Amino acid sequence: DGGITQSPKYLFRKEGQNVTLSCEQNLNHDAMYWYRQDPGQGLRLIYYSQIVNDFQKGDIAEGYSVSREKKESFPLTVTSAQKNPTAFYLCASSISRDRLVQPQHFGDGTRLSIL
Amino acid sequence: GESVGLHLPTLSVQEGDNSIINCAYSNSASDYFIWYKQESGKGPQFIIDIRSNMDKRQGQRVTVLLNKTVKHLSLQIAATQPGDSAVYFCAEISYSGAGSYQLTFGKGTKLSVIP
Repeated sequence: DGGITQSPKYLFRKEGQNVTLSCEQNLNHDAMYWYRQDPGQGLRLIYYSQIVNDFQKGDIAEGYSVSREKKESFPLTVTSAQKNPTAFYLCASSISRDRLVQPQHFGDGTRLSIL
Repeated sequence: GESVGLHLPTLSVQEGDNSIINCAYSNSASDYFIWYKQESGKGPQFIIDIRSNMDKRQGQRVTVLLNKTVKHLSLQIAATQPGDSAVYFCAEISYSGAGSYQLTFGKGTKLSVIP
């Protein structure tokens, strides 16, 4: 079945440590996204990528980094510069960022906590 | 995850009754709207969408109504079932210039179905 796979489901980070969240899709979608979800808030965009080897900052990119070396993969690194990393992280993809009718398909998320 | 539902408006509905979930959107120029369902510990799942040139769209047991005059969107679920218990949130897409679109998510409403 086509879909988006995020791993791990739960992740713990120590102070000063970088951690990387994995996102893989086999939907052949061009665009991929990373969102952060906090209790009682709407999803906030961290980074997005419209095409391989290209990505753009979203609304809350500080303390995060991404890469897009392959179409199907869009890993997110939460760096030590992110002072409040505890959240539920969601990866999504869509056919193309620039198409109007483009519901995004989501993975099942990674919950990151601080030790 | 479970904490997504904290601090959200809650709607409690008896099994078999109809549910109406509301969403106020912010941008009068938004072109396209989506409803998502998010179950505990999972990523958002696409339910139904509607374009701004429509007032109503029906799916299986769900209907979305769009009132552009007051910037209001509603999701109606017929014959609500226990499996409908989840957080529901709307998303609006508006053109942000240079061939790109911006997706803005609402905070969500938690639907609890009473057996």
